[in-house]
Amino acid sequence: DIVMTQSPDSLAVSLGERATISCKSSQSVLYSSNNKNYLAWYQQRPGQPPKLLISWASIRESGVPDRFSGSGSATDFTLTISSLQAEDVAVYSCQQYFSLPLTFGGGTKVEIK
Amino acid sequence: QLQLQESGPGLVKPSETLSLTCAVSGGSLTNSPYHWGWLRQPPGKGLEWIASLHFSGRPYYNPSLNSRVTISMDTSQNRFSLRLSSVTAADTAIYYCARLPMGFPNCFDPWGQGTLVTVSS
Repeated sequence: DIVMTQSPDSLAVSLGERATISCKSSQSVLYSSNNKNYLAWYQQRPGQPPKLLISWASIRESGVPDRFSGSGSATDFTLTISSLQAEDVAVYSCQQYFSLPLTFGGGTKVEIK
Repeated sequence: QLQLQESGPGLVKPSETLSLTCAVSGGSLTNSPYHWGWLRQPPGKGLEWIASLHFSGRPYYNPSLNSRVTISMDTSQNRFSLRLSSVTAADTAIYYCARLPMGFPNCFDPWGQGTLVTVSS
């Protein structure tokens, strides 16, 4: 199984400041034949189901604000919120879909400082 | 707009079988190439993929649950189901159904609201 490790477990950021979340995979999730990283990011607000934010490591889903960005390749990935807004308070999780079983990181809780 | 809604008992006794259904509206289960899946999230913990299925293909299961899980589909009712046998307290979780947008394996979008299942006598 590919183990997904996120850090930190939680972080508190002031409104308007940058939040950075790391996700590391125990094996590469980069498929060499198409040069795509099989990595997604989700946002889960309190009491809500997860919402897909980013797929293929860096492709924002339709309607996702451009303050959210994904980067990285192979085994090291980052989700950045460039200017934290109050509605961004949530748990953020990464998921690999390179191989079965599909696996998730443990989540990072983002709060307002 | 595609919507998924989980339903089933909120309380299951240890050693019994958990059965959940996901009703899909605003789209068809037979709309290829979508796959459909079940996931769960124990209280305060991370997400775990359970199983996925395409209407014309074989099911895929998480090996950690493989021997206890069955995913099935009723295309006439546009819903799919999960059965998890021999449950224990460790199976207490919010259970979600979701669509996999394009092919398998993939990510999940959208998700149902989730249903809390508690395993307790």
